[in-house]
Amino acid sequence: QQQVKQSPQSLIVQKGGISIINCAYENTAFDYFPWYQQFPGKGPALLIAIRPDVSEKKEGRFTISFNKSAKQFSLHIMDSQPGDSATYFCAARNRNTGNQFYFGTGTSLTVIP
Amino acid sequence: EAGVVQSPRYKIIEKKQPVAFWCNPISGHNTLYWYLQNLGQGPELLIRYENEEAVDDSQLPKDRFSAERLKGVDSTLKIQPAELGDSAVYLCASSLAGGNEQFFGPGTRLTVL
Repeated sequence: QQQVKQSPQSLIVQKGGISIINCAYENTAFDYFPWYQQFPGKGPALLIAIRPDVSEKKEGRFTISFNKSAKQFSLHIMDSQPGDSATYFCAARNRNTGNQFYFGTGTSLTVIP
Repeated sequence: EAGVVQSPRYKIIEKKQPVAFWCNPISGHNTLYWYLQNLGQGPELLIRYENEEAVDDSQLPKDRFSAERLKGVDSTLKIQPAELGDSAVYLCASSLAGGNEQFFGPGTRLTVL
């Protein structure tokens, strides 16, 4: 029940296109949902995050859509650029386990010029 | 502001040998995390410190893994003896106490031969 399921495993998008990555969870104790971006040889870096009391959050080209009833959330990257090519992880924080974070398995995004 | 510092960046050892990883968190960050990241997977928590106290080590294989955070600043993660299956990236992250955002270091890539 602590799992966060992420799909797809890999994604190839043309430059200028929209990249969409999906995550789903079961545990209703999750109260914070960040997305991380990781480049090869680097640690994950926070990209954008959302709380379950809002349905959407936008920061520049990055948008999180959150569906609390379906226990699903997704990352949308608008106008995808080659520099966006990286691995993306969704995560969820469990407020009942000392704010422990649980990560999805990652999506490798390749944006083709 | 310096980020989370980890060393070494890479380590290759023979199985049954000991190995240690070092992490220096961002100044002022009370919370420190050690994560394990297997290839193609998301980070998995090994241990979390609040200052010098290990508050969550339930996922740490205590028969061979140990960690310490003396003085509540730097931390060391040790494996003794290492096994082939320990080959992975070991990530350190830090955050303010109760903070949402974790800042990750670049990780230490361990290869056990």
